[in-house]
Amino acid sequence: ETGVTQTPRHLVMGMTNKKSLKCEQHLGHNAMYWYKQSAKKPLELMFVYSLEERVENNSVPSRFSPECPNSSHLFLHLHTLQPEDSALYLCASSHPGTGDTEAFFGQGTRLTVV
Amino acid sequence: SQQGEEDPQALSIQEGENATMNCSYKTSINNLQWYRQNSGRGLVHLILIRSNEREKHSGRLRVTLDTSKKSSSLLITASRAADTASYFCATDTGGFKTIFGAGTRLFVKA
Repeated sequence: ETGVTQTPRHLVMGMTNKKSLKCEQHLGHNAMYWYKQSAKKPLELMFVYSLEERVENNSVPSRFSPECPNSSHLFLHLHTLQPEDSALYLCASSHPGTGDTEAFFGQGTRLTVV
Repeated sequence: SQQGEEDPQALSIQEGENATMNCSYKTSINNLQWYRQNSGRGLVHLILIRSNEREKHSGRLRVTLDTSKKSSSLLITASRAADTASYFCATDTGGFKTIFGAGTRLFVKA
């Protein structure tokens, strides 16, 4: 248990569906991240929020829409996805500025787009 | 191109042997971190080494960092079947960018 919780753990959705991924951390961290992990590829940083403001958006298609209502919660809203968006989506949190910037990851949401 | 690249991509050893994984990177870093991931799960932080450190130990883990060569190695001594996982290096270049490599898949045979 890393202190970062993601729900759901598994999600199957059609290309016309709208769904949301949720991430929650109670570690007192002030930065939260969404990563995408596809088979045999490096982790891709999608979005970074610091103090509830988006500070990084790495050219992610608009069909992925993040939301950070407070420092403990992060959402990833999904709509009109493509089969190639099937992947493991990982949320992480950290506390930059404290020197050691290790990230704490959730267990991930395994997303399958059909 | 990615910042961190692990080598080898896959490694298979017998229980009790040592496992060495290498990581190379391209730009200056604040620190370098190693993570472990069991199949289909989240990543777990193992160890962090700062740019002014050369070696660090944690239990059966030994990490080295050579900033002149922009490389790091992770050594797992006396490996166990439970060490079977993917191992990633990640470089912190400042700001909010921690860049991960593609990982080394380690398989330890009992």
